Amino acid sequence: GAGVSQSPSNKVTEKGKDVELRCDPISGHTALYWYRQSLGQGLEFLIYFQGNSAPDKSGLPSDRFSAERTGGSVSTLTIQRTQQEDSAVYLCASSFKGATEAFFGQGTRLTVV
Amino acid sequence: GDSVTQMEGPVTLSEEAFLTINCTYTATGYPSLFWYVQYPGEGLQLLLKATKADDKGSNKGFEATYRKETTSFHLEKGSVQVSDSAVYFCALSDQGNTPLVFGKGTRLSVIA
Repeated sequence: GAGVSQSPSNKVTEKGKDVELRCDPISGHTALYWYRQSLGQGLEFLIYFQGNSAPDKSGLPSDRFSAERTGGSVSTLTIQRTQQEDSAVYLCASSFKGATEAFFGQGTRLTVV
Repeated sequence: GDSVTQMEGPVTLSEEAFLTINCTYTATGYPSLFWYVQYPGEGLQLLLKATKADDKGSNKGFEATYRKETTSFHLEKGSVQVSDSAVYFCALSDQGNTPLVFGKGTRLSVIA
């Protein structure tokens, strides 16, 4: 596609449920990032994929958070046993190999009730 | 570790006023610097960037100059419009394909 695509755009879930958020990066981009944007906060780095290398998971806040990237393209961020503090906008970005700038999707707004 | 500090908002300006949003950074290497903008209900868009000292990034009337001596990358616009109302994020990348480090964002509201 022309840009980074994320789905769903909005998700409301009950506390304790698992959720999956999807990111479809720009075609040809080898790097993919997940960030979290909480109300009144900046962007918090979560995880980074680069090609076939092992992902950088240093930003994941707990073991309830995990992410996969299949075939070097689509990525899924999974949050298990959601908590209210997980409510935020989850942003995905991608970039070409070696590039410093990243292109962002419109985000998934997650609300845990 | 690397970090970005930007002025806290919100900033409210009248149309045609001059805008400055301060941004300073801490980095171990020679980072690339960015300003991203997030319009209401939308994702982040790259506004401008600079990759080395003394470079000036510019776009849509906005400018920012990479100042290594003061580790700053302040965003300026000479005459803001209502359509510039958004959240502005300063960011850095220490090298290609490392995660961008963002400031907390500054909300700008421009009133007619």
